[in-house]
Amino acid sequence: DGGITQSPKYLFRKEGQNVTLSCEQNLNHDAMYWYRQDPGQGLRLIYYSQIVNDFQKGDIAEGYSVSREKKESFPLTVTSAQKNPTAFYLCASSIAGTGGYEQYFGPGTRLTVT
Amino acid sequence: EDKVVQSPLSLVVHEGDTVTLNCSYEVTNFRSLLWYKQEKKAPTFLFMLTSSGIEKKSGRLSSILDKKELFSILNITATQTGDSAVYLCAVDSGAGSYQLTFGKGTKLSVIP
Repeated sequence: DGGITQSPKYLFRKEGQNVTLSCEQNLNHDAMYWYRQDPGQGLRLIYYSQIVNDFQKGDIAEGYSVSREKKESFPLTVTSAQKNPTAFYLCASSIAGTGGYEQYFGPGTRLTVT
Repeated sequence: EDKVVQSPLSLVVHEGDTVTLNCSYEVTNFRSLLWYKQEKKAPTFLFMLTSSGIEKKSGRLSSILDKKELFSILNITATQTGDSAVYLCAVDSGAGSYQLTFGKGTKLSVIP
């Protein structure tokens, strides 16, 4: 089955630790995205990648980093510099990064930092 | 700054009711408006609207865009408990790359 997988589903970390969230897609999509969702808030774009080995900052990139070494994979690292990392993180992909296509979402990772 | 505003933020209806969810936007370069349904985790795609006045329909759900007045509505007729979800509106402002600006969502609760 084609789709987007995110792991783990739940993640608990202590403050000061970096943590990496996994996102894999087998849809053969060129573009991939990371969003953050807080309670009562819409999705906010962290980073996006239109093609392998290229990525751009979204609206709230501070304290996050990404890599795009393979078309299928777009891992997100939440660094200790992120002031308020507890949130629900959603990964998405689309056929192309030029618009006109819907974005497909993974099931999300809920990160709790204490 | 691009802005997408959804109303109401939450809504409780009885099964069988018809509901209308609203989405207004202010963006620099409009390319398309998308509706998603989020039940527990992954938002699932409902509609993409690009042209004014053309209704998109899927079963009991329908949506229409008004590019002059900068808004869209999502209608759900004969609601069922399975329609309970957060409905998200997003706009592709088409500023070069493909980026969606999301509203906060409308939480719909359908009670038997």
